[in-house]
Amino acid sequence: SQELEQSPQSLIVQEGKNLTINCTSSKTLYGLYWYKQKYGEGLIFLMMLQKGGEEKSHEKITAKLDEKKQQSSLHITASQPSHAGIYLCGAGWAQTSGSRLTFGEGTQLTVNP
Amino acid sequence: DGGITQSPKYLFRKEGQNVTLSCEQNLNHDAMYWYRQDPGQGLRLIYYSQIVNDFQKGDIAEGYSVSREKKESFPLTVTSAQKNPTAFYLCASSPDRDTDTQYFGPGTRLTVL
Repeated sequence: SQELEQSPQSLIVQEGKNLTINCTSSKTLYGLYWYKQKYGEGLIFLMMLQKGGEEKSHEKITAKLDEKKQQSSLHITASQPSHAGIYLCGAGWAQTSGSRLTFGEGTQLTVNP
Repeated sequence: DGGITQSPKYLFRKEGQNVTLSCEQNLNHDAMYWYRQDPGQGLRLIYYSQIVNDFQKGDIAEGYSVSREKKESFPLTVTSAQKNPTAFYLCASSPDRDTDTQYFGPGTRLTVL
């Protein structure tokens, strides 16, 4: 969706390296959701951010939402092969009825041992 | 254990045949969703239902149909009118229309021969 863009599209890192994935919205977000997907499987919910400037962590993964609520970053510290997969951001818009989410195209992460 | 189940994992059909994908949840969630995922693309919303006996079209509803006769079930029928049905289909649910966090099933990969 052009309303929500992720970068980079793919990322290859060496085990132990840090990395960042970005998700940029064309309009103010009501909520921003990060998911992880293994190829051929369902999405696993990681974190949800709603307040400007909010930051949350889960194990070695940290996600932040900027003050303007239009960009989020997902940062992985000391990456491991278990972090490999597709990371998708999903956006909830204040104008949207119900609980529809719009998803970015995903970032394919490869972690080489 | 509570969760969302989709069956079957892999499905093969001949062109021109209708096929129904199953989605069941025992989380007591009000809202349920169907997405389609194609290689290199994010998730696109097909249909969603916020309450039993009610559902709305998503962004790519043409060629698909759904029903929501029971809270725990939201089957998706891919009809012969869908021009490019081969894809990975994901079902999700959320507690209610005001809670955006969606939880996903394992997916069904449909291949039309």
